[in-house]
Amino acid sequence: QVPLQESGPRLVKPSETLSLSCSVSGDSIGIYYNSWIRQPAGRGLEWIGRIYVDGSTMYNPNLKSRVTMSVDTSKKDFFLKIRSVTAADSGVYFCARTHPPTEWFDPWGQGTLVTVSS
Amino acid sequence: QSVLTQPPSVSAAPGQRVTISCSGSSSNIGTNYVSWYQHLPGTAPKLLVYENRERPSGIPDRFSGSKSGTSATLGITGLQTGDEADYYCATWDSSLRLVLFGGGTKLTVL
Repeated sequence: QVPLQESGPRLVKPSETLSLSCSVSGDSIGIYYNSWIRQPAGRGLEWIGRIYVDGSTMYNPNLKSRVTMSVDTSKKDFFLKIRSVTAADSGVYFCARTHPPTEWFDPWGQGTLVTVSS
Repeated sequence: QSVLTQPPSVSAAPGQRVTISCSGSSSNIGTNYVSWYQHLPGTAPKLLVYENRERPSGIPDRFSGSKSGTSATLGITGLQTGDEADYYCATWDSSLRLVLFGGGTKLTVL
């Protein structure tokens, strides 16, 4: 297994940008994709999108206008930015290795809680 | 409301068998593979089944997956108290062009 670890600010102000990183340790990035998935408080899981090591991306159409994902292959880090956040963007954010073309996720990071509040 | 429909909760006694359903449509479950995840709040979700019925190494055969038409099912036999968790199905939707998760099912082992 390749541990994944999310990190970033726990508190973001409304209308600002949420920024998170996902660090991959113990293995090369290789040929894998990485997805970001979130869980709003008291609700189910929502797929935000995924990125390949070459930087190609696929986003949830419902979030596409506000989301940017990027990758730093030298540091084995993946990044997520969500612009113009509101309280609805609060929740636990996970990164997870993604296995195309059948789109299953393993392993997952532990998740990081982000709260949008002034 | 999720496009993939799961029962909000299921329960059974230790040692018994339980099934969790995941109902979708022709654009998601009907044409794409389904995966299942176990999630305990505060921990990393765990893959239980991928590609409808395949189990990753380390997942006991008490957990099984199946798919028929536009529905999928996760079965758990020999229930243990440690199985109490939230369970999610997931699949690609070819029309919406995104990965869908079911709303989640809370399993209680009485």
